[in-house]
Amino acid sequence: DSGVTQTPKHLITATGQRVTLRCSPRSGDLSVYWYQQSLDQGLQFLIHYYNGEERAKGNILERFSAQQFPDLHSELNLSSLELGDSALYFCASSIHRDNPSYEQYFGPGTRLTVT
Amino acid sequence: AQSVTQLDSQVPVFEEAPVELRCNYSSSVSVYLFWYVQYPNQGLQLLLKYLSGSTLVKGINGFEAEFNKSQTSFHLRKPSVHISDTAEYFCAVSDSSYKLIFGSGTRLLVRP
Repeated sequence: DSGVTQTPKHLITATGQRVTLRCSPRSGDLSVYWYQQSLDQGLQFLIHYYNGEERAKGNILERFSAQQFPDLHSELNLSSLELGDSALYFCASSIHRDNPSYEQYFGPGTRLTVT
Repeated sequence: AQSVTQLDSQVPVFEEAPVELRCNYSSSVSVYLFWYVQYPNQGLQLLLKYLSGSTLVKGINGFEAEFNKSQTSFHLRKPSVHISDTAEYFCAVSDSSYKLIFGSGTRLLVRP
């Protein structure tokens, strides 16, 4: 158990809809990262938040957005969903207040299926 | 831009045999290197990391990797594999921006 939690575990929705994925980092970690894993694109970095501020963006579509709240949990919002958005979405956390590190700890993922 | 190449998409090996999973990276700056393992229907678990210092790093479950700067490689090795090592293995690189760039993964298939 990495200490990172993600909800829901599975999500099935229709094209055009909007969903929200939630991530709680390990206790004390300030950074949250979102990654997308799909068969055709592999594991891709989407976005990084540190202590509530956006730090870096990767291959994140304009239809996707994220935020990190004062309690450090994060949400990834996916809108106008398309079939190609079906994937496993991972959240990872790192950079503990007391022990900065490059290691990232991954949650179990949310499997999104768009029908 | 950074990139990671895992040339072998699948590596079949018999139980108790040694294995090497290859990883090459490209980067114009100092990098940090990682190997993660993903078991079926699970998240990614960190096996080992290279940040600095000794080029031979040891990780969990008997795995080790060697950082070779001149060959820009970070190959993962295990002297004797078990059935339970069957999983997908990902090599990743990071720099001061912290984000991870992953390779395409290598599926290790351990046969009895």
